[in-house]
Amino acid sequence: DVKVTQSSRYLVKRTGEKVFLECVQDMDHENMFWYRQDPGLGLRLIYFSYDVKMKEKGDIPEGYSVSREKKERFSLILESASTNQTSMYLCASSVLAGGPPLSTDTQYFGPGTRLTVL
Amino acid sequence: AQSVTQLDSHVSVSEGTPVLLRCNYSSSYSPSLFWYVQHPNKGLQLLLKYTSAATLVKGINGFEAEFKKSETSFHLTKPSAHMSDAAEYFCVVSGAAGLIFGTGTRLQVFP
Repeated sequence: DVKVTQSSRYLVKRTGEKVFLECVQDMDHENMFWYRQDPGLGLRLIYFSYDVKMKEKGDIPEGYSVSREKKERFSLILESASTNQTSMYLCASSVLAGGPPLSTDTQYFGPGTRLTVL
Repeated sequence: AQSVTQLDSHVSVSEGTPVLLRCNYSSSYSPSLFWYVQHPNKGLQLLLKYTSAATLVKGINGFEAEFKKSETSFHLTKPSAHMSDAAEYFCVVSGAAGLIFGTGTRLQVFP
């Protein structure tokens, strides 16, 4: 089974703190993704990466950055946390597929990190 | 541009009755479509996937969905609901840079 793990299930931080969310996958997948999930809005893509040291902005990258130094690990960084970044953060991975890059591939999700910024 | 609309934010059914979760999509090319399920405090799990093969797609746990191009719909159905089906369901369409998620439908199942 594919396993995607996230470093924390629950996290509480203060406004202005630098926050690191870690994600690790064990299936040698090429692609990794970070989403945030908010009630009534579904999942929105923050950043994705299709290779080590490669990253692409998703729909809502403002206030976030990412790092992918190793294939299995994809980190989401909140440089200066704000209260509007309180959310559930989901990491996912997928195998590189042909056709429109990334889009037809099944994504495997981690359990999520619920971040509260006070 | 690609988009997906889930027509109901909440659906309630009695155990043993049919389930219908509605989804409409918009895509400028032949899309891939997915249904994911999220149980409380769990990650998202793929239920089923359509990628231009058979229009009726069977998934896990007795769910299936039918791709109807003329109606731009991809509704999720199950003949008989079980208590364990209570969860949030997301309809998803493939986009140019990854997946585009609907806003979700919360399914409640009453005994």
